[in-house]
Amino acid sequence: DTGVSQDPRHKITKRGQNVTFRCDPISEHNRLYWYRQTLGQGPEFLTYFQNEAQLEKSRLLSDRFSAERPKGSFSTLEIQRTEQGDSAMYLCASSPETGISQVFFGSGTQLSVL
Amino acid sequence: AQSVSQHNHHVILSEAASLELGCNYSYGGTVNLFWYVQYPGQHLQLLLKYFSGDPLVKGIKGFEAEFIKSKFSFNLRKPSVQWSDTAEYFCAVSGGSTLGRLYFGRGTQLTVWP
Repeated sequence: DTGVSQDPRHKITKRGQNVTFRCDPISEHNRLYWYRQTLGQGPEFLTYFQNEAQLEKSRLLSDRFSAERPKGSFSTLEIQRTEQGDSAMYLCASSPETGISQVFFGSGTQLSVL
Repeated sequence: AQSVSQHNHHVILSEAASLELGCNYSYGGTVNLFWYVQYPGQHLQLLLKYFSGDPLVKGIKGFEAEFIKSKFSFNLRKPSVQWSDTAEYFCAVSGGSTLGRLYFGRGTQLTVWP
């Protein structure tokens, strides 16, 4: 499969624990995006990278959230001291920088915080 | 502030019925408009997009949408739905050069009865 890959698909954690998600974009795409989707809502933008540079962060991305893309390839999203309100589907997407016609989404990581 | 409104949260149709899903947006500037579909258990997929030119755009699987600038609308249509169209449909908008920075509506769940 040459699409956007996310790991894990599901994560159950206890409140206060730290969790980390991984996203592997389509290989030639240098832009990578993270979104969050809660039940009954559309995806909400969190942050995006162009290569290894994090160019924009939403106000939704509190201090407990950190995203990295150290070599401009895969990305990780870490949530520290998880709260029940963090329960959501975390989506990753990628696109090329130029000649963009669409963004490609992964299947997401479903986080449940107990 | 940018926003996207989808007025129908759940639509139920019989096969062969016609479909129209409403989408209105609020965005200060030139917009790019999208409809995404999410089939059960699958990732978001692009149905169609509008960047410029002919305001009537055709997408995959017989879907089309019309951009009406004066009404800030981008409604999705299909003349005859099939059971396989059962899915959640999201309208989204982006602007400027960061086309992957999308603002989504909350989605419309379409259920088609055979």
